Amino acid sequence: QSVLTQPPSVSGAPGQRVTISCTGSSTNFGAGYDVNWYQQLPGTAPKLLIYGNANRPSGVPDRFSGSKSGTSASLAITGLQAEDEADYYCQSYDTSLGGRVFGGGTKLTVL
Amino acid sequence: EVQLVESGGGLVKPGGSLRVSCAASGFGFSKAWMSWVRQAPGKGLEWVGRIKSKSDVGATDYAAPVKGRFSISRDDSTNTLFLQMNSLKTEDTAVYYCTTYTTGRGFDYWGQGTLVAVSS
Repeated sequence: QSVLTQPPSVSGAPGQRVTISCTGSSTNFGAGYDVNWYQQLPGTAPKLLIYGNANRPSGVPDRFSGSKSGTSASLAITGLQAEDEADYYCQSYDTSLGGRVFGGGTKLTVL
Repeated sequence: EVQLVESGGGLVKPGGSLRVSCAASGFGFSKAWMSWVRQAPGKGLEWVGRIKSKSDVGATDYAAPVKGRFSISRDDSTNTLFLQMNSLKTEDTAVYYCTTYTTGRGFDYWGQGTLVAVSS
């Protein structure tokens, strides 16, 4: 059980907007640590999607956006496409564990 | 182009040891902080440990479940990262990914992973 809590699954129809939440605590987000997000397409290695709460690496479409407020963070995907079907993970640093931590992951299904 | 290629995975008995490697290219390996992240079959991602660059003393730190059993090292002359795993347990069964780690960016590049299976 991770210290960063994500919903196990979310779904949306093509073209819709979906959000994935990541709930932390005073020992990670509340302590000022940023959130990063990763996308893992089926059968492949994870890929950095959002870093430093809201920044996109080169090549990531602007349909993906991130935010963080207090002890929670979220990933939003607009204009949902079939190719967005994947597992998404949030990640930060936790002072009580003394290391990097991942959320449990959220499986996005495009209906 | 950044490339990270893991190798050395395989089947090992509980209590055994295994060393996996990661060949890096396409970036300044000697200046990079590197990490290992694992993923048990059908499960989520778990950070294993990190090694800083030699200029940062090459310091290492590890997640609690592997501390004292796993060791990360690097050979900057061959651009290779290593993960030495001792006293392996069945719960260590996972795909092990080699990643770069950049402060402020997280795990920014990933290898394709190597499967380590611990079973009798």
